[in-house]
Amino acid sequence: GDSVTQMEGPVTLSEEAFLTINCTYTATGYPSLFWYVQYPGEGLQLLLKATKADDKGSNKGFEATYRKETTSFHLEKGSVQVSDSAVYFCAHNSGAGSYQLTFGKGTKLSVIP
Amino acid sequence: DSGVTQTPKHLITATGQRVTLRCSPRSGDLSVYWYQQSLDQGLQFLIQYYNGEERAKGNILERFSAQQFPDLHSELNLSSLELGDSALYFCASSVDGTGTEAFFGQGTRLTVV
Repeated sequence: GDSVTQMEGPVTLSEEAFLTINCTYTATGYPSLFWYVQYPGEGLQLLLKATKADDKGSNKGFEATYRKETTSFHLEKGSVQVSDSAVYFCAHNSGAGSYQLTFGKGTKLSVIP
Repeated sequence: DSGVTQTPKHLITATGQRVTLRCSPRSGDLSVYWYQQSLDQGLQFLIQYYNGEERAKGNILERFSAQQFPDLHSELNLSSLELGDSALYFCASSVDGTGTEAFFGQGTRLTVV
């Protein structure tokens, strides 16, 4: 069935370090891929998305590229800030008639000054 | 602010009781999704409505039901509550039923004691 696997956390980085959070997926059809972010005590916010192979989604310095050949959508940021501390969720829609999101388990990122 | 409003923000109730969670989608959005976030299961899709009609069902228990009203707001009813139903319940909405971009509310935290 459909699933999303993302790297286990927590991840702790120093400010200005490089961030990679790995994400791979299994899905039928041609799903869209998403990264959502959840700040403490808040709901999920869409961070970026990509709707077809080789698309690159980007926002707030974060980026991820839809790699169909490796079924991956890894999240990267060149220089993290303390304000990036949050839980990051990789997700895809089913792209096969119904469009609910399938989420990974989330990766908690803590950035220390 | 995503524009999706969920009430109440917090709910504490006893086992065996019934509760109703409410969601108002963003203005113009026709589709509503319900998700459950728990520590052990992560984010799980429960059910989707589109313009008043049920569109898709996920891991929703028979004790749970939902509906979407003519004004497009939605309610999730949880009955015969058990301790394991304690979770954060999110509502999301999107302009159509494709899930290409879903906006999440801040969630209702349900605690069953």
